[in-house]
Amino acid sequence: KNEVEQSPQNLTAQEGEFITINCSYSVGISALHWLQQHPGGGIVSLFMLSSGKKKHGRLIATINIQEKHSSLHITASHPRDSAVYICAVVLDGGATNKLIFGTGTLLAVQP
Amino acid sequence: ETGVTQTPRHLVMGMTNKKSLKCEQHLGHNAMYWYKQSAKKPLELMFVYNFKEQTENNSVPSRFSPECPNSSHLFLHLHTLQPEDSALYLCASSHGDRDNEKLFFGSGTQLSVL
Repeated sequence: KNEVEQSPQNLTAQEGEFITINCSYSVGISALHWLQQHPGGGIVSLFMLSSGKKKHGRLIATINIQEKHSSLHITASHPRDSAVYICAVVLDGGATNKLIFGTGTLLAVQP
Repeated sequence: ETGVTQTPRHLVMGMTNKKSLKCEQHLGHNAMYWYKQSAKKPLELMFVYNFKEQTENNSVPSRFSPECPNSSHLFLHLHTLQPEDSALYLCASSHGDRDNEKLFFGSGTQLSVL
């Protein structure tokens, strides 16, 4: 079992829908990253958070440290949001910035 | 554009070839990383360099040899690879290599080993 689990693995939505991607982890962490990977490979860091909630445009990320769970929400989804969304955690007490990654959620937003 | 550039974007090589992947960043970052992304698997950390010194080697086979001549450049030298080494190799950088540093990724090199 992976230390970082994402759900769903695949998600198809209609343009305009509200989308939620979930991430659960089983280790102690100091921070959690949400990353976006478009076809072609490039990865963009969306959020890094260690508590509470962050918002950037139509994207919202939340984390509940006690429940070891984070969610990424996309409001008013658009076809350009189609990508793989990856959750990654930073181990608590790690001496190096060593991320453990989930397998990603493939999102397809249809017009 | 993240500020991290990887070349080549695609590479096909035979098992007896020697090739190198290159990564450069001009973001003023001191830490650089190599990650491997195989199909349907999570990204795996391979190597971490901080101020040109290797601080992490995640049990990577010796057929992968990293080199960091300065804080802006990182290479991954490849020799006698196996077909199972075919994957997307991603370079990343961050200001430092401590916890909670935001990572900036390159677009990756898609490697196929025949």
